[in-house]
This record gives sequence, structure tokens and C-alpha cells, in this order.
Amino acid sequence: ETGVTQTPRHLVMGMTNKKSLKCEQHLGHNAMYWYKQSAKKPLELMFVYSLEERVENNSVPSRFSPECPNSSHLFLHLHTLQPEDSALYLCASSHELAGGETQYFGPGTRLLVL
Amino acid sequence: SQKIEQNSEALNIQEGKTATLTCNYTNYSPAYLQWYRQDPGRGPVFLLLIRENEKEKRKERLKVTFDTTLKQSLFHITASQPADSATYLCALDMNSNSGYALNFGKGTSLLVTP
Repeated sequence: ETGVTQTPRHLVMGMTNKKSLKCEQHLGHNAMYWYKQSAKKPLELMFVYSLEERVENNSVPSRFSPECPNSSHLFLHLHTLQPEDSALYLCASSHELAGGETQYFGPGTRLLVL
Repeated sequence: SQKIEQNSEALNIQEGKTATLTCNYTNYSPAYLQWYRQDPGRGPVFLLLIRENEKEKRKERLKVTFDTTLKQSLFHITASQPADSATYLCALDMNSNSGYALNFGKGTSLLVTP
């Protein structure tokens, strides 16, 4: 176990549904990340939070809405998704948002949009 | 444009041999380079980090080299075992607008057969 948990592990949703992904880290880290991993593509950084403040949004569509209520929890709210949004969504954390920091990943949520 | 390229094909080797994985990059000047292992259905797990002023780093059966002139890192697993079978990701640690961010390659799938 890496100390980062994600729920649910699997999610199937229709295009009109609203759902949320949850991430929790038990490592006392100050930075948290959302990544999208699609087949045959590299991990794509979606959002970065440092001390609960969003510091990066990599041109992610507004149907993805992150929330970081405290330094241990990170959410990704989903609404009116498209089939091409089906992917593995990974949460990660690091001690600080700085160079040379190791990132600790959760197991991911496998999302299927029908 | 910026690119990170890893061995495009899966790598199949026999148990006991040395596996060598390649990570080439263009139009980047990373301060650090990291290697991660990812098993199917799980998040990446950190293995090694090497700094731009380091030529080589070792950890047990793992060795990483970093040549900033060639813009290449090599990742070696000596005395490979079937349990080493996984996908290995190279990540460049870059200074971005919001701090440091990891830019990942697509990964190389390694299969070690008995």
C-alpha cells in the first residue's frame, strides 16, 4: 500500500450522470494531483493542488471539477461526461510541490462512460 | 515539440538476463528524471530518481543512467525475475509555471519468462 486510497475502484456511468471520485492520502503530504491514463497514451496531468490551493489546470474540460477541502482529501466531480473520458483516473501526492519529489499514487478508478 | 520516447515495443527477456529500457527526450531540460513501475490495474510505484548532475544511480538490482548530452536515460534490471514483469515509466521532472511537474512517457512493457 502506498498510503493513497481511491474510491470507487470501478465506475460505470451514463453521459447524463453526476458522480464523484474520492482520493485520500495518509502521508501528511502537501501536494496532490489528478492524472488521466488512457490506453496507449502517457499519463496526463489534469490538476495540481498545493496546500489545498489549485495551482495548475491543464486545459481540462469543465465537465471535470476538482475539489480539495483539506490537504488529505481530493475529489474529482464528474458531470455530463463523454465516452472518450473513459480511462483510469489516478490520484497522487507528494511531500511538497517541488523538484525531485517522489509521487505516491493511488490504485486508480477505472471509469467507463456509456 | 516536446517528446518523451520509451522503447516502442514490449521487451521480452529470459529470466536471469539483464533488461535494458530506454527513455529518450527532446526539447526538455529536466532537472531530475524518475522511473516508476506500474502493474496492471494499479497505480505507478516509484523506483529511482536521478539528478541532472548525476551519471548513474543504483538500488539493489536496478541501475539508472542519465546522459543530458544524448538526452537519454537507460534503466537496467540485472538478474531479471518473472516478478519484474510490469510496465516501466520514465518521467521528466520539469519546472513549470506552478512549480515542478512530472511529464511521463508511455512506458515500456517488460515480460520476463522463466
